[in-house]
Amino acid sequence: KQEVTQIPAALSVPEGENLVLNCSFTDSAIYNLQWFRQDPGKGLTSLLLIQSSQREQTSGRLNASLDKSSGRSTLYIAASQPGDSATYLCAVSLGGSNYKLTFGKGTLLTVNP
Amino acid sequence: KAGVTQTPRYLIKTRGQQVTLSCSPISGHRSVSWYQQTPGQGLQFLFEYFSETQRNKGNFPGRFSGRQFSNSRSEMNVSTLELGDSALYLCASSYELAGVYEQFFGPGTRLTVL
Repeated sequence: KQEVTQIPAALSVPEGENLVLNCSFTDSAIYNLQWFRQDPGKGLTSLLLIQSSQREQTSGRLNASLDKSSGRSTLYIAASQPGDSATYLCAVSLGGSNYKLTFGKGTLLTVNP
Repeated sequence: KAGVTQTPRYLIKTRGQQVTLSCSPISGHRSVSWYQQTPGQGLQFLFEYFSETQRNKGNFPGRFSGRQFSNSRSEMNVSTLELGDSALYLCASSYELAGVYEQFFGPGTRLTVL
């Protein structure tokens, strides 16, 4: 059974700091990995998707890496801003016509002005 | 393109009642998945529909059911509501292109069971 763990559960940083969020998964036979952002009481916004054959993806100040063999992914946020405050969720899918996402519990990020 | 829409956004029901939630996927997306989010359990997969057929199912009791229509819109039904069914219910629509399968989520329906 696939399990996804995110560390830390919560993180508070001053504005402008670079930071790394961690995600680990127990079954390395994943199809892809997605990072999402969730604002309080809202739905999920897809940030980055990494296919199993890829090592990293970048979008603006965000960079996500994937190491399938070790079952790890990191989300790097450069020059953090107060607007980045949200919960960040990592999710993996197994593929092979089973595309259900297995989620971690998330990291609650607070960026202080 | 319009995003995933879910109706209603908020619902209050009492124990024993039933409820139906609706999801309209992004135009052209044929797969719709449903997830339940609670503070204790986080996000859990309920089921996925593709071309009007249930393709995958999570570990939820039979009180939770769904269906998909020919226009890809989906409904989820929960019968005999329990207090523990209070949650944010999220719908995601998906497409597959060149081996890439990405899911896009709606704003959710907040269900409160009293």
